[in-house]
Order: sequence, then C-alpha cells, then structure tokens
Amino acid sequence: AQKVTQAQTEISVVEKEDVTLDCVYETRDTTYYLFWYKQPPSGELVFLIRRNSFDEQNEISGRYSWNFQKSTSSFNFTITASQVVDSAVYFCAYISNFGNEKLTFGTGTRLTIIP
Amino acid sequence: GAGVSQSPSNKVTEKGKDVELRCDPISGHTALYWYRQRLGQGLEFLIYFQGNSAPDKSGLPSDRFSAERTGESVSTLTIQRTQQEDSAVYLCASSKGLARGHEQFFGPGTRLTVL
Repeated sequence: AQKVTQAQTEISVVEKEDVTLDCVYETRDTTYYLFWYKQPPSGELVFLIRRNSFDEQNEISGRYSWNFQKSTSSFNFTITASQVVDSAVYFCAYISNFGNEKLTFGTGTRLTIIP
Repeated sequence: GAGVSQSPSNKVTEKGKDVELRCDPISGHTALYWYRQRLGQGLEFLIYFQGNSAPDKSGLPSDRFSAERTGESVSTLTIQRTQQEDSAVYLCASSKGLARGHEQFFGPGTRLTVL
C-alpha cells in the first residue's frame, strides 16, 4: 500500500527565512502523481502543485519551488523569503496512475512564520 | 464563480443521533470526494462519485456511513447512530475529472462534534 510521510509535524521560522517541507512516499507503482496542498487557518485546502512521476524537473513558482527526486522517493517543497501569509498546514499527497482514484495524504506539516 | 460550499459549518450532536452533511460542488464538476480530517491528522478518504458511475465507497469506515449524490450536483453524507469517534471535520472536494489529472477544489468543511 502507498504511504506518504511528512516527518515534520511543526516548523516555525522567522519571516523572510527560507523553509523546506519534507515529503517522502512509499510505493511499488511505476507511475504516479504527487501533490501539495495548503490549508490556511480558514480551513479550505488550496491546491499548489501536481507532479507526474515521469517528470523529475524541479519546478519554481514565485517564492515556491519543488524538488522531486524519484531515487529517494521524495517531493520536497521550499518557500523562499517566507511571509506571514505562508502560515498554514501543508499536505503532501499521492495517487497511483492505476487503480482507484483515491488520494493518500500525509499527516501535514504546520508551518508558522513569525513576524 | 462560486466555490465548493458545505453545510452546516458546525454541527454538535448527541451520541446515537443521525446527522446529514451537505456538499454543493462547483457547477460542471463531475467528480466529488468526501474526506474526514481528525484533529491534527491528514485527510482520510471516505467516498468519491464520478459522473453516473457507481461510487467508490471503499473508504467508508462502517455501515453507519453512507453518501448520495444527485446527478452531478449536491451530495449528502449521512452518519447514523453517531459515535464520539466520528467527531472530525468532514471535507468535500470537487473536480472537473478524476483525481489523477485534475485539481481538487475543497469546501470549508463541516466540523462535527459528537457529545
């Protein structure tokens, strides 16, 4: 069975610092998708990125970047020059390219940006 | 346009009572998912609907849980004979298609407290 591990339960950094959120997954599937979602204090999860396992290129979107390494089964998320608005719980998720359409979520990392 | 809406936002009930939670997906979204999020935990898949296909109920934790969806519109999640372990936030998400290829849009959730 697939498993997603976010070992960092809580992280606090001072505003403007860079921070990396770790995500490690376990699977026997050869193809799959990985996701990151943000859950701000309001509670509604917001989609950040979807990555196909075929595509190992790093992706950058503004202050956000993602490092996907299939060899280590990791899909880490870095926020550069963090801002208070980045404070949220961040979830990593996985879905196989085959079988049912169920996302497997990690337990989340609560990120607090200290002003 | 309007996002995913859920009602009620909060529900407090007594153990043994039935509750009904409602989800209004984004118009035109064929896929609808229900998740449960216990305090401090990740999202736990419950059920999904895709168009007119039979729903995938494999995540429902017991036969006290059921869900229905009318066409590609409103869905209701019913919990019968509620137990204290049912206390959680119940999240609904919709998407244009199934999870592999499409971003899921989440509602604000219904916080259920069973006394």
